Amino acid sequence: EVQLVESGGGLVQPGGSLRLSCAASRFTFSNFWMSWVRQAPGKGLEWVANIKQDGSEKNYVDSVKGRFTISRDNAEASLYLQMNSLRAEDTAVYYCVRGGNWGDYWGQGTLVTVSS
Amino acid sequence: SYELTQPPSVSVSPGQTARITCSGDALPKKYAYWYQQKSGQAPVLVIYEDTKRPSGIPERFSASSSGTMATLTISGAQVEDEADYYCYSTDSSDNHRVFGGGTKLTVL
Repeated sequence: EVQLVESGGGLVQPGGSLRLSCAASRFTFSNFWMSWVRQAPGKGLEWVANIKQDGSEKNYVDSVKGRFTISRDNAEASLYLQMNSLRAEDTAVYYCVRGGNWGDYWGQGTLVTVSS
Repeated sequence: SYELTQPPSVSVSPGQTARITCSGDALPKKYAYWYQQKSGQAPVLVIYEDTKRPSGIPERFSASSSGTMATLTISGAQVEDEADYYCYSTDSSDNHRVFGGGTKLTVL
């Protein structure tokens, strides 16, 4: 079964930075687009960003453009999300998702809390 | 920006048929996807490309799409189907990837 394990979440002050990681296993990581999706506490799902198999194409939701950067390391089967200039409204569980336009497998998520 | 609209809640008795709708202007041209999220868990894909069911998803889950509305149907809903259900799609130019607001299904 496909496995996606996120890490790197935690408490950060407004304006701070955090880097999320997702370790993928039990599938050929380099063959798939990958995405990050987030969910604020008690709220719905929001697609955040995706990245093509070779990293040559990346897309972001408008609210994170210029602040977040998605990247990947196919040799390590890992997906990343560098989050800068964090705001309170970025507080959410962040899910690593296999797929670009839609996702068939999701990790369990990592919680990011932006608060002073 | 693009929006998908779902009813906030749907309630049925065990064994009844539950229907959850999702409306969006681009749905005549774009596929709809459906996710189930149980309390405290990650979402699970239950329908992809309008009508297809991933392996391991019970046959009581089905879906259709007509015009600007997609519908998830759970035939003979069970207590274990209680969850939030989200539809997902893109706008006509694939510039915006959006989830519906979610529908809380209660089976009691």
